[in-house]
Amino acid sequence: ILNVEQSPQSLHVQEGDSTNFTCSFPSSNFYALHWYRWETAKSPEALFVMTLNGDEKKKGRISATLNTKEGYSYLYIKGSQPEDSATYLCAFFRLTGGGNKLTFGTGTQLKVEL
Amino acid sequence: NAGVTQTPKFRVLKTGQSMTLLCAQDMNHEYMYWYRQDPGMGLRLIHYSVGEGTTAKGEVPDGYNVSRLKKQNFLLGLESAAPSQTSVYFCASIPADSGNTIYFGEGSWLTVV
Repeated sequence: ILNVEQSPQSLHVQEGDSTNFTCSFPSSNFYALHWYRWETAKSPEALFVMTLNGDEKKKGRISATLNTKEGYSYLYIKGSQPEDSATYLCAFFRLTGGGNKLTFGTGTQLKVEL
Repeated sequence: NAGVTQTPKFRVLKTGQSMTLLCAQDMNHEYMYWYRQDPGMGLRLIHYSVGEGTTAKGEVPDGYNVSRLKKQNFLLGLESAAPSQTSVYFCASIPADSGNTIYFGEGSWLTVV
């Protein structure tokens, strides 16, 4: 079983604060790292797909970086807004001869307060 | 979420009953996955399939069986439902090149009483 860990587990910030989360994953046999935004009772919404070491992606106020050698990715939110409140999931895709699994982290639950 | 359909969306079962969840995708994706989502636990992989006729166990396979007789369909079965299987179930599909986005179904809410 692969361990994909996210930290912190939950986060409360004030509107306007900038924040970041971490996704840690095994560094061997890396293929892709996905970030999702997920609201309860809805399907996860894709944010980024990252495949190359050093990748940096940006979508509005949200950006992400990737370090495949050390096995981590950071997600940043600049100027948090209440509508950013959600759970942010990362998912690690690893190609191996024994089977190809997409493993999700447990998520970071973000609450942005006025 | 176009292209991945889960049925049924809601179901209430009695302990010991059986049922099957269907995940259907029309994008010719090779890989399909069944996850369950429980409070505070994120998405946990139940079973997955890397192609027609193949299935494999994920993190939490006990109490579930799956089949992938056709490439477009991935079935999740509960032979004898237990209250611990009350959860929201998500299906996902992805092409062999995982650089693409993962496509999710809209979820199936299952309650076992």
